[in-house]
Formats: sequence, C-alpha cells, structure tokens
Amino acid sequence: SQTIHQWPATLVQPVGSPLSLECTVEGTSNPNLYWYRQAAGRGLQLLFYSVGIGQISSEVPQNLSASRPQDRQFILSSKKLLLSDSGFYLCAWSLGRRSEQFFGPGTRLTVL
Amino acid sequence: LAKTTQPISMDSYEGQEVNITCSHNNIATNDYITWYQQFPSQGPRFIIQGYKTKVTNEVASLFIPADRKSSTLSLPRVSLSDTAVYYCLVGDGRDNQGGKLIFGQGTELSVKP
Repeated sequence: SQTIHQWPATLVQPVGSPLSLECTVEGTSNPNLYWYRQAAGRGLQLLFYSVGIGQISSEVPQNLSASRPQDRQFILSSKKLLLSDSGFYLCAWSLGRRSEQFFGPGTRLTVL
Repeated sequence: LAKTTQPISMDSYEGQEVNITCSHNNIATNDYITWYQQFPSQGPRFIIQGYKTKVTNEVASLFIPADRKSSTLSLPRVSLSDTAVYYCLVGDGRDNQGGKLIFGQGTELSVKP
C-alpha cells in the first residue's frame, strides 16, 4: 500500500533562518507531488506541484522553492524565513488526471 | 480553473442528513467536481467525485444538476465525528497541470449531540 511521510512534524524557526521540509512517498511510481500551505483558519494554498523528477511548477511567487531530486521525494525550502511563512504545510501525491490526492500528516511551522 | 462558492459554516445534529451546496458557475466542460473532508491538524481526505447526475459511495452522495453550475454533497445521518471542514473543488486535473486542484475556504460543519 502507498504511504506518504513528512518531517518534521513541528518546527519553530527564527525569522531569517533557512528551511527544509521533506516529503517522501512509498508504494507508487511517478506520482504527481504537491506542496500546500494552510494558514490559520482554513483554505489550502497550492504552492508547488511536480509531474516528474526535476519538474517543478510554482503557483505563488514567494521566498519558497521546491525540488524533486528523486521520483518519490519532494522538498520545500527557503533561504530566509519570514513571519508570514508560518503555517501548516502539507504534502500530497496523486496518480494524475482527476485522481484522488493523498495528503501527508503535515508540518506545523512557526516562525518567530 | 473554476471558482467555487460554499457556505462558511453549517450546524447540524446527530442523525440528521446534511446537504452542503457548492456553486461553480464557470465550470468548464472537462471539469470534474470533487469533495474533500479535513479534520483539524490533518490533511484533507477525498470523499467523492462526480461529473454529472448522481454519485453515491459508502460515505456520501453527490448530486449534480444538468447545468452543472452547482453541486450538493449529502451526508446521511451525520455523527459527531463528521464535524470537519468540507471542500468543494472543480477542475479537470489535466496532466500538464499536474492534476492540480484549487481549494477554497470550505464549509465548517459542526455536528451537535
């Protein structure tokens, strides 16, 4: 069966520090991968998606970046965090067109 | 991608049927309608997906009128554990866009005893 992992589960970082969040998927090949952010309240904002290794599409201009060094690995990074980067970060995968997206457990990021 | 509009919140009582309606006036011919459920501090979970008429699975039904400009998620006999945020999404999930979907603000359903 397929599983999706995210780490860390929680993270507290000072403003201006770097960020690296990792997401890995097991049990499937060539998935579409997604990074979302959910600020306080609700509404998920799609940040990045990837249809293959090295292929990253950015949805929102910001100080975040994403990379996909391996088929089932998706990394969210920042060189310098802002207060506004605080939120709940979710990674998800799907097998493509109209298929269900499966979400990871999320990372709660607090920037102080 | 089509924009969706749903009520911000709804209240219900255990055992009642809950219907959440979503408006998507600009839905495109190839778009599908998908609903997700999210509990606090968890990622959303797929509930149901449809294109037209009616779709039913073990947890919900989805009603889509002929013009497809709206859809209604129906939850039969809700329980306290159905308290969650419900999102209506519209998109065609084209592969060249990575199957991406746009989540709106969702409807916060509160089920009371």
